[in-house]
Amino acid sequence: DGGITQSPKYLFRKEGQNVTLSCEQNLNHDAMYWYRQDPGQGLRLIYYSQIVNDFQKGDIAEGYSVSREKKESFPLTVTSAQKNPTAFYLCASSPRDRYQGFFGQGTRLTVV
Amino acid sequence: GQQLNQSPQSMFIQEGEDVSMNCTSSSIFNTWLWYKQDPGEGPVLLIALYKAGELTSNGRLTAQFGITRKDSFLNISASIPSDVGIYFCAGFTGANSKLTFGKGITLSVRP
Repeated sequence: DGGITQSPKYLFRKEGQNVTLSCEQNLNHDAMYWYRQDPGQGLRLIYYSQIVNDFQKGDIAEGYSVSREKKESFPLTVTSAQKNPTAFYLCASSPRDRYQGFFGQGTRLTVV
Repeated sequence: GQQLNQSPQSMFIQEGEDVSMNCTSSSIFNTWLWYKQDPGEGPVLLIALYKAGELTSNGRLTAQFGITRKDSFLNISASIPSDVGIYFCAGFTGANSKLTFGKGITLSVRP
């Protein structure tokens, strides 16, 4: 079945460590997005990519990095520079010409 | 930056009632989307609107793209317990594929 997969569902890391969250889609969508969700904050855009090998910063990119080497993959690295990394992270994909954001199930990252 | 306003933060209704949610913005959007999110899960797309004035239904859900392109509403008719969740509106300008979300409305349905 076509869809967007995030892994793992839950992730625990020690403070100061970098961690990479996986996002894979087999929908043949050009655009992919990473959002962060905190209680009462809604969804905030971290990074997005419209085509392979290109990506743009969203509203809260500091402390995060991404790569888009393949159309189907858009991994997000939460670096030690991110001051408050504990959150629920959501990945989405969409066709470029007609936006219909499809989300993965999310990764809950806890940094201790 | 662009903001979408959803209020109130929470709504409580009785099973069987209809409920309407608004989403407003000071900016124009070319696409309006409505999502529902269950706890611990990713948002699920309910309705997508692409044209000003467009009225679209999906079962008991109806949404409209405002004529000014600065607002949208979602109506849920004959609510049932499984309608409980957080409802987000989202707007897309199309300029650079950046999608902006409202903060969401948490809906509770009393049986």
